[in-house]
Amino acid sequence: EIVMTQSPATLSVSPGERATLSCRASQSVSSNLAWYQQKPGQAPRLLIYGASTRATGIPARFSGSGSGTEFTLTISSLQSEDFAVYYCQQYNNWPPLTFGQGTKVEIK
Amino acid sequence: EVQLVESGGGLVQPGGSLRLSCAASGFTFSSYSMNWVRQAPGKGLEWVSYISSSSSTIYYADSVKGRFTISRDNAKNSLYLQMNSLRAEDTAVYYCARWGGGITDYWGQGTLVTVSS
Repeated sequence: EIVMTQSPATLSVSPGERATLSCRASQSVSSNLAWYQQKPGQAPRLLIYGASTRATGIPARFSGSGSGTEFTLTISSLQSEDFAVYYCQQYNNWPPLTFGQGTKVEIK
Repeated sequence: EVQLVESGGGLVQPGGSLRLSCAASGFTFSSYSMNWVRQAPGKGLEWVSYISSSSSTIYYADSVKGRFTISRDNAKNSLYLQMNSLRAEDTAVYYCARWGGGITDYWGQGTLVTVSS
């Protein structure tokens, strides 16, 4: 099973600032990496797939990069609606599909 | 618009059973594989099970293998999860999620399952 590790657990950022979230896989997942956003009481929403492709309707301030075992989600200028928990997920070697433990982006 | 609506959650005693349903609309359900993913209170996401479009391929997480059964009825645009021998650690919000292009691209709002005496 591929273990996904996200850092940091919590990120405190001021609105308008840049946020950088990391995700590491225990072995290579190529570019088969997705990012999800989850707000309290809501279902996860797909942001990025293929490590760097934005899903339909996702603003350009969200970008993903990386391949192999190291990945990054960048939010270029945080808006109030971006404060949420973010999960990475690998779909290269499954079952099982595996998720990181999440990074909470909170208002500084 | 893709819509996935889960139902069937509730309070059940340890050792009991529950059947979850997911009603799909806004896409050709019979063309897509589907998944169940769960989230324990205050915790992260855990994949539970996968079923291919024709039900020919099914996978389970080790934590539920032998206790849960995934199925679908393409004529009714519905996905199901039969959960038996429930344990306290199965307490979670259960989401159904469409498998589109190799990713879980659309998720329902979830249904809460609480296993407690």
